[in-house]
Amino acid sequence: DADVTQTPRNRITKTGKRIMLECSQTKGHDRMYWYRQDPGLGLRLIYYSFDVKDINKGEISDGYSVSRQAQAKFSLSLESAIPNQTALYFCATSDPGGGENEQFFGPGTRLTVL
Amino acid sequence: DAKTTQPPSMDCAEGRAANLPCNHSTISGNEYVYWYRQIHSQGPQYIIHGLKNNETNEMASLIITEDRKSSTLILPHATLRDTAVYYCIVRSMKTSYDKVIFGPGTSLSVIP
Repeated sequence: DADVTQTPRNRITKTGKRIMLECSQTKGHDRMYWYRQDPGLGLRLIYYSFDVKDINKGEISDGYSVSRQAQAKFSLSLESAIPNQTALYFCATSDPGGGENEQFFGPGTRLTVL
Repeated sequence: DAKTTQPPSMDCAEGRAANLPCNHSTISGNEYVYWYRQIHSQGPQYIIHGLKNNETNEMASLIITEDRKSSTLILPHATLRDTAVYYCIVRSMKTSYDKVIFGPGTSLSVIP
């Protein structure tokens, strides 16, 4: 089983709809992240959380909100989706006490807003 | 954050070494150099990281210049499965600051 899972994997929605993307991890990591990827722009950080009580804005948090329901779960919400939020969204986790301090990424959610 | 610059694309013949350069001229003393790669539309995958010494693991080698202003990722025997976008990133290891900023990376094409 994958260590970091994302649901749904693909979603098409309409402008103005509320959308929630979910991320779950079995790695036991405290830190979780949400990124979006647009063609030619690399990955940009939306929000990150260092533990259940900690939420921080990233580079591009406007139009998004998050919820850290438990150590293993970190959800990203688009309260009122707009077409320029069409992108590939990735969740990631990391362990600050780990040797490499690397980030482990989920498989991604492809979101299309019409 | 220190920023990195990488060539947008490179080609490499299958079986040959792929050398991917990265400039990070504003890197600070507590920042590490990390490399990730992303195979088409999959999640990025960690490759290797280093501070100032050269590093090697089962995937690649990382060569960091003495002044730490640039580095090179080396895939010793590139295969078609190494075709991906490679990201060079600098990050602080402070526990209170763990953001990873990805740039556009280098798109490596391994050619048969």
